[in-house]
Amino acid sequence: QKEVEQDPGPLSVPEGAIVSLNCTYSNSAFQYFMWYRQYSRKGPELLMYTYSSGNKEDGRFTAQVDKSSKYISLFIRDSQPSDSATYLCAMSEPGGYQKVTFGTGTKLQVIP
Amino acid sequence: GAVVSQHPSRVICKSGTSVKIECRSLDFQATTMFWYRQFPKQSLMLMATSNEGSKATYEQGVEKDKFLINHASLTLSTLTVTSAHPEDSSFYICSASGQSTTDTQYFGPGTRLTVL
Repeated sequence: QKEVEQDPGPLSVPEGAIVSLNCTYSNSAFQYFMWYRQYSRKGPELLMYTYSSGNKEDGRFTAQVDKSSKYISLFIRDSQPSDSATYLCAMSEPGGYQKVTFGTGTKLQVIP
Repeated sequence: GAVVSQHPSRVICKSGTSVKIECRSLDFQATTMFWYRQFPKQSLMLMATSNEGSKATYEQGVEKDKFLINHASLTLSTLTVTSAHPEDSSFYICSASGQSTTDTQYFGPGTRLTVL
């Protein structure tokens, strides 16, 4: 079993839809949770960064962490064609080196 | 803020040659830098972690003599792929983390290496 599980998709939605992306994990020591967006042939771009459980909102993006279920989500409201990319969840344990474990990424396509 | 650059963005080389990739943190001091490798449609695989002024820590299965990492300053780390072979062709991405223990990693744009 992988430490982090993420559905690879692809996920196709119409423009304006609400998108829900999810990851599950098995390591209860993870405390930091991130979502990255990666466009084709580019490096990942940090979207959201949360510590422990709870919700965090930034514009059209909302990140949720449920540590009791070992489940994290990223919601995108009013999705746009420019949101089409691969979304990677990532998580890490506390510590100076911040070794991060990534999900495999979910490819999202927003259709105009 | 938190900008990381990589150079070159793309490189094509002949089998047997060595290739150096630079990773720079442009607006912050990176105490730790990470090197990843990404194959098509796969996630990032951590190759090694380097701290300024000390030897890199390599992940299991990564040949340290083949992938030489130098982290000479708080803003620069280099990855040298020695005696490159076609199977080394991949997308190499670096990331950098600052001095706070709660800092996350900021990624460079990646380098596409093709070995002929």
